[in-house]
Amino acid sequence: AQKITQTQPGMFVQEKEAVTLDCTYDTSDPSYGLFWYKQPSSGEMIFLIYQGSYDQQNATEGRYSLNFQKARKSANLVISASQLGDSAMYFCAMREFQYSGGGADGLTFGKGTHLIIQP
Amino acid sequence: SQTIHQWPATLVQPVGSPLSLECTVEGTSNPNLYWYRQAAGRGLQLLFYSIGIDQISSEVPQNLSASRPQDRQFILSSKKLLLSDSGFYLCAWSVGRQGYGYTFGSGTRLTVV
Repeated sequence: AQKITQTQPGMFVQEKEAVTLDCTYDTSDPSYGLFWYKQPSSGEMIFLIYQGSYDQQNATEGRYSLNFQKARKSANLVISASQLGDSAMYFCAMREFQYSGGGADGLTFGKGTHLIIQP
Repeated sequence: SQTIHQWPATLVQPVGSPLSLECTVEGTSNPNLYWYRQAAGRGLQLLFYSIGIDQISSEVPQNLSASRPQDRQFILSSKKLLLSDSGFYLCAWSVGRQGYGYTFGSGTRLTVV
């Protein structure tokens, strides 16, 4: 079973509108972290925002916020006032901490959402 | 400040040829290091991770291997490339067991012909 599911392969949004990118996850680990990355056409992975499973409040970073609904295992990314430069692939990722066996295993990624901002 | 260097940026190699991709980190010590592969239009798949020198864990069976000869150097290798090895390879680092500051290199686009 997929641990990270992003159901929107692609999205077209008008500039200045708000965007919500969906992400659901699957884990039985009580301690985990959720990440969003942006990948422009150049290929680099740019960290956007992080939410820990025990964080009481939704994470925010500038125009980015994470709508964390723990019971629904949902971690949607919200981009306010979208800009043309927001056009990119967006990946949701998760890391399980308690069940990682004390190692440093990496992030599990979803398949991504291709966001295109239209003028 | 911490930086991560990955090279080359682009590589075209014939089937059956060897491969060596290098990743180095500056400005930190004892980082956790990772190699990911991204197939066209897909998400990232973790290939290897390392918590220290000569300590390598493999996530998936494959035609590739990894080595960490120095604390801040991580190398991805293959003795004989396959067509299926084509993809975008990304190196990343983090610090600490629960460190969430995963930082990625700029990636290597490998095409096996």
